[in-house]
Formats: sequence, C-alpha cells, structure tokens
Amino acid sequence: EIVLTQSPATLSLSPGERATLSCRASQSVSSYLAWYQQKPGQAPRLLIYDASNRATGIPARFSGSGSGTDFTLTISSLEPEDFAVYYCQQRGNWPLTFGEGTKVEIK
Amino acid sequence: EVQLLESGGGLVQPGGSLRLSCAASGFTFSTYAMTWVRQAPGKGLEWVSGISGGGGITYYADSVKGRFTISRDNSKNTLYLQMNSLRAEDTAVYYCAKLLFGSAAGAFDIWGQGTMVTVSS
Repeated sequence: EIVLTQSPATLSLSPGERATLSCRASQSVSSYLAWYQQKPGQAPRLLIYDASNRATGIPARFSGSGSGTDFTLTISSLEPEDFAVYYCQQRGNWPLTFGEGTKVEIK
Repeated sequence: EVQLLESGGGLVQPGGSLRLSCAASGFTFSTYAMTWVRQAPGKGLEWVSGISGGGGITYYADSVKGRFTISRDNSKNTLYLQMNSLRAEDTAVYYCAKLLFGSAAGAFDIWGQGTMVTVSS
C-alpha cells in the first residue's frame, strides 16, 4: 500500500498569504495524484487531479505540481473561504489511498 | 445538476449488517465508475471500495474485503454497499463519489453528502 505523508499537519496563515502544502508518497505514483478541500460538515471537493490539472470551477489561485513521490499544492493568496482541511489522494496503485490531511487555519 | 444522494445509514450492533444506497442523477450513470469513501469521526478519508461502470469489476480495501460488497443497478442509477459483520471501527460517515473519468482508479469529482453509520451495542 502506498502511504501518503502530508506536511505540515497544520498551517497557520493570514488571508492574502501564500500557502504551500506538501504530499510525499512512499513510492512513485507518477503524476496520479489529486488534491481535495474539505470544510467542517461538508463532503470533500476535488481541486486538482493528475498533479496539476484544476478541476472544473476551481479558482486559478489553486495550483498543483510534482511527480513521482513529491507533490505540492499552492494557494497563491488565501481567501477567507480557503481555510479548511486539504487531502491528497493517489490513484497510481491499488488500494487507492489518502494522506492524513493538512489543516489550513487562520493565524 | 449532477447529484449523489446516499441513504441507509444508522445504528447497528457489532456483527450486524446494513445496506447503503446512493442515488445518482444529472449524468450518464453507467458510463462512470463509482466509489465509496468513509471518514471516521474526527479522522481523515479512507477509500473503501470501487466498481466499474458496467459493474463487472470491483475493488476493496483490505479492511473491508470479505465483509463488504459493492454493486450497482444501472437501470435505477443507484450504487450500493452491502456491509456485513460490522465492527466498531466501521463507524464513519460513508460517502459515495463519482470518478472523474471512466476508470475506477481515479480522482473523485462529485461527492454525496454522506450517510452516518454507527456500530455500537
């Protein structure tokens, strides 16, 4: 099973700041990595698929990069609605797995 | 509007059974693989099971293999998860989700609102 390790566990930032979230895979997943945003009491929302492709309706301030084992989600300038938990997920190998999440909180 | 609506959650005793349903609308259901993902209270996301568009290929997490069965009825645009031999550690919100592309190995672009399953005596 591929283990995805997200860092940091919590990121404390102010609106307008840049957020950089990391996801490291225990073995290569090529570019088969997605990112999701989840707010309390809500279902996750797909942000990025296949490492760098924004899903439909996702603002351009969200971008993804990386390949192999190291991936990054960048939020260029945090909006108030961006404070949430973010998960990465790989589809390179069965079983599909998620990272443990990074909470982006208001500083 | 593309929509997924889960039902069937509830309180069940350890060792019991439950069947979850997920009604799909707004897209050609049979064209897409579907999946179940769960989230224990206060915890992260865990992929549970996936099924191909035609229903002939299924996938399971080791934690549920042999106890859970995923299926679909494309004539009713409905996905199912039959859960047997339930354990306390199966307590979670269960989400159904649509795969972005046809393959069951993919990203999940549409999610339901989730249904809570509590396993307790």
